[in-house]
Formats: sequence, C-alpha cells, structure tokens
Amino acid sequence: SQQGEEDPQALSIQEGENATMNCSYKTSINNLQWYRQNSGRGLVHLILIRSNEREKHSGRLRVTLDTSKKSSSLLITASRAADTASYFCATVLGFNTGGFKTIFGAGTRLFVKA
Amino acid sequence: EAQVTQNPRYLITVTGKKLTVTCSQNMNHEYMSWYRQDPGLGLRQIYYSMNVEVTDKGDVPEGYKVSRKEKRNFPLILESPSPNQTSLYFCASSLSTSGSYEQYFGPGTRLTVT
Repeated sequence: SQQGEEDPQALSIQEGENATMNCSYKTSINNLQWYRQNSGRGLVHLILIRSNEREKHSGRLRVTLDTSKKSSSLLITASRAADTASYFCATVLGFNTGGFKTIFGAGTRLFVKA
Repeated sequence: EAQVTQNPRYLITVTGKKLTVTCSQNMNHEYMSWYRQDPGLGLRQIYYSMNVEVTDKGDVPEGYKVSRKEKRNFPLILESPSPNQTSLYFCASSLSTSGSYEQYFGPGTRLTVT
C-alpha cells in the first residue's frame, strides 16, 4: 500500500450527518495536511496538523493525528450538500538537506445527499 | 487576489508535438511543484523547485522538463508527448521550502495526447 492511503474510498451520507475519513501512512512525517477537491478542479487546503499535535479544529472540521499508529482522521460535522467533494490526505516528509516531499493518497469521495 | 494560474486549461494534441504548460504565482512563494492526477492514483509529483534555477525530480519525471528562471513562473515542458501523458496536471506553490505551510493549487490543465 502507498503512503497516505485513505479509507473509505467512497462515502455517501445524508445532509446533517457526520462524515469521517481516515488516512494511514508508513514513514515519519513533518506534518499531515487535508485537501478538498471539487470535481476536476484544483485542490484547496483545509487543515494542517503538525507531528507534535494530536488534534486540531477548524469550523466544522476536526482532524486527529496518531503518530504511534501512523494514522489520521478527518471529521466533518453536520455535513451539507456543498461538502460533496473528494478529500485527500497529504503527508509531508522533510529532508535533512532541506526541502520536502508531499505524498498524496488516492482520496475519499464524499457524497452528501440533500 | 493571491492565486496560481495555469494555461492552457484544456489541451488536445498529437503524439510528438512539443508543448508547454505555463504556471505563475503572485504570492512570492519560494516553492513550486507540478503534479499529475490520474484516476485511482491520487496526485503524483513530477518536478519541484525550491528557488530560482533550483529544480529537482519528483516521483514521475520521465518525459517532462521544467525551468525556473523567475520566481513567479514554473513552466512544464513536454518535449515529445505520448498518450500515457494524458492526464490532469496541477501546479502548486508554497510559501517556504520547509514543508511547514500549505500548498496553493492552480485550477488544473487537462491534457489529452492522441
């Protein structure tokens, strides 16, 4: 399996319900980021959680990071039809010589039914 | 408005005909990168640049060239496109080269090579 693997691949819920997406990775990271992509469009950054953080909130978003299990979850509360999109986790690995590498997972497709 | 722009947005070409996809950012970002997105594979990094005249290969650099002569521009060059380069391409930029900041993505270029 690849770094930054999301689960589930697809998720369909009713408006108002919560949506949870999970991400697993293999190597030590500097930080982990979640992005959103509306069909065929550019990715939009949602939230960044650093390796020494365990939980972060932004509006209706809650992200957790468990570095011992090498996993993260994204929770969207009280979902809306406008939340329908693909969600990607991206793990950021720093290099000792400077620079960094970002590895994206294949994404979770979320469909919120009105 | 802070943004990353790409041109063209859509391109249909034939095998072997050289093409360039332009990318420009107006945020004075140090780091710029090119990704390709294919169904089921997420985003894969092609090349990245940490500064003017400093570029390096990502995970899938074969068949591509880049240059960074100015800080704001990072064109992607396909010298001899082939059908397996049919994909959705994204340019992205980030404030620093440490990986501690989010990436800003362009709107994407959908390339078809026949």
